This record gives sequence, structure tokens and C-alpha cells, in this order.
Amino acid sequence: QMQLVESGGGVVQPGGSLRLSCAASGFSFRSHGMHWVRQAPGKGLEWVAFIQYDGDNKYYADSVKGRFIISRDNFKNVVYLQMNSLRPEDTAVFYCAKDRGSSGYYDLDFWGQGILVTVSS
Amino acid sequence: QSVLTQPPSVSGAPGQRVTISCTGTGSNIGAGYDVHWYQQLPGTAPKLLIYRNNNRPSGVPDRFSGSKSDTSASLAITGLQAEDEADYYCQSYDSSLSGSVFGGGTKLTVL
Repeated sequence: QMQLVESGGGVVQPGGSLRLSCAASGFSFRSHGMHWVRQAPGKGLEWVAFIQYDGDNKYYADSVKGRFIISRDNFKNVVYLQMNSLRPEDTAVFYCAKDRGSSGYYDLDFWGQGILVTVSS
Repeated sequence: QSVLTQPPSVSGAPGQRVTISCTGTGSNIGAGYDVHWYQQLPGTAPKLLIYRNNNRPSGVPDRFSGSKSDTSASLAITGLQAEDEADYYCQSYDSSLSGSVFGGGTKLTVL
């Protein structure tokens, strides 16, 4: 069955860095685009970043552009989110999610369980 | 301020019908991009509920339906049940932002 398992979360000081990983299994990973979506405590969903199936194209929300980098390894079936210059407002549960298609225009048809990132001194 | 606008809350009694609206603009829903809906039960990850405006994934009851018109979309839930109490989010693609956008979410309370 399909699985997306996030890891790498934790507590980091403002200005620090963290790298999230999302290990995928149970589907043809290299055929699908992948997203990161976050949810601040008590708030709604915010789309963060998308990477195309082959890694060639990447897109970011304005709130993280220039600070976050999405990447993927199609041999290891893993998608990453490198988060730099972290701010307290980046505190959230981060979800990785599979796109139904390859290029980011479709629905997010499967989600991981989420991982908490806390930015605090 | 979310790109897609949803009512913060709706409520209904068991067995009743409720609708949740999702209003966008000419660069997302109005540009012809599909609308998708997600259900988030308390303490869990979001789950796809409706895709491409009006399609249900396998396992989603036919009490849930979606529609889209011009710059808006709606989620309808008939025969409300206690287990439907959750947060519901709409999502689409926005060409001016070159990425996905979500609504602010709607909390459904079953009275």
C-alpha cells in the first residue's frame, strides 16, 4: 500500500536550518510530482513547494521563496525540503503529499502523517 | 488571507444537507483550473475527498459531492453524520502564483 513517511522535524532556533525528508513507497514515485504543505498550530493548510516528477521544475510559495529548497532522489524514492533562515512563523506541521499527475496541476491524492517543526529560541 | 475564500464555519443537524463554498479569481478557478476538496479529521492528516470538481476517490461515500461554476465551487454533504465533523479545504492551481492554493478551511459542526 502507498506510504509517505516524513522525518527530520524538531526544534530549531530562529535563523537556523533543518532538512525534512519524505520516504515514499507503494507507487511509481518517479512518475509523480510531490508537494510540501504546512499547517501552523490552529491554522489552515498552506502550500509550500512543488517538484516535478523528474526534478526539473520547482515552485515555491512567496513566503518561503529564497529560503526553502525542494529536491528529490528518484533512486531512493525520497523528497526533501531544505529549510534555511527559519523564522518563528515557520512553526508548523509539515506534510508531504503526492500529486495525482507529474506537473503540479492536479489534486494531492495521498498525504503523509506530517512532521512538526518548531522554530523557537 | 487565503487566495481561495471559504466560510469559517458551517453547521447542520444529523441527516441534513450542508454546502461549503469556495470562491476564487480569474487566475485560479476562473481560469478553468480544477477544484479539489480535502477533509481533515481532528488530529489527522488531510484526506482527498473530491477531485477534479466532482469526482470521488474510491471509498468516499456518495453523500459527498462537488460542483464548480465560473470563479467558485461548492462541496455538498447530504445525510449529515456525526463522523462528518471535520475541517474541509478547497484547493486549486493559480497561474499567477505558479503553484497550488488552498482555501482558509471550513469547520463543519454536526449539531
